[in-house]
Amino acid sequence: AQKITQTQPGMFVQEKEAVTLDCTYDTSDPSYGLFWYKQPSSGEMIFLIYQGSYDQQNATEGRYSLNFQKARKSANLVISASQLGDSAMYFCAMRATYDMRFGAGTRLTVKP
Amino acid sequence: SQTIHQWPATLVQPVGSPLSLECTVEGTSNPNLYWYRQAAGRGLQLLFYSVGIGQISSEVPQNLSASRPQDRQFILSSKKLLLSDSGFYLCAWIPRYSGNTIYFGEGSWLTVV
Repeated sequence: AQKITQTQPGMFVQEKEAVTLDCTYDTSDPSYGLFWYKQPSSGEMIFLIYQGSYDQQNATEGRYSLNFQKARKSANLVISASQLGDSAMYFCAMRATYDMRFGAGTRLTVKP
Repeated sequence: SQTIHQWPATLVQPVGSPLSLECTVEGTSNPNLYWYRQAAGRGLQLLFYSVGIGQISSEVPQNLSASRPQDRQFILSSKKLLLSDSGFYLCAWIPRYSGNTIYFGEGSWLTVV
C-alpha cells in the first residue's frame, strides 16, 4: 500500500529565512507524482509544486522548491525567504495509479 | 473550463441523522473522484475513490458510504451520523490522463451535535 509521512507536526521560522518541510513516501509503483499543498485557515487547498517520479530535475516554483531524493524516497519542500503569509498548514501528497494520499501535515508559523 | 463543485458548504447535524454531501465535476469526462475527511488540526484522510460509474473503493471501514450514480457526480452519505464524523470534507478530481493536477471542491464543514 502507498504511504506518505510528514514527521514535523509544527515548524517555526523567522521571517525572510528559509525553511524545509520534510516528506517521505513509500510505493512499489515506478510511476508516481508528488505534490505539496498549502492550506490556510479557510480550508482551501492551494497547489504549490509538483514532481514526477521520472523528472530528472528538482521542481521549482518561485520561492518553492522540491528537494527530490528518489533513492531515499523523500520529497522535501523548501520555502525561501519566508513571509508572514506563509503561515499555514502544508501537506505533502503522492499519486500512484488511482491512489492519491496525503501526509498528516506540518503547521508552519512564520515569526516577524 | 474544468471545475468542481461541492455542497453544502456547512452543516450542523444531530447524532443519528442522515448525511448527504454532493460533488459534481464540469468540463471533463471519466474523471477519478475522491472523498477526503480532515478532523480538526489533522491531515487529510482518504475515505473513498471512484474510477467510474458505480465503482467505489473504500479505504477505511466506517459509518460512511459513497456512490457514483453519474460519470461526474460523487456522493458521500451516512444513514446515522456519529459525533466522530465531524470534520472538514473535501471532494477532489484528478484527470484520468494527466497526473500532475488535482482539483478540489470548496469543502464542507460538518458538525455533528
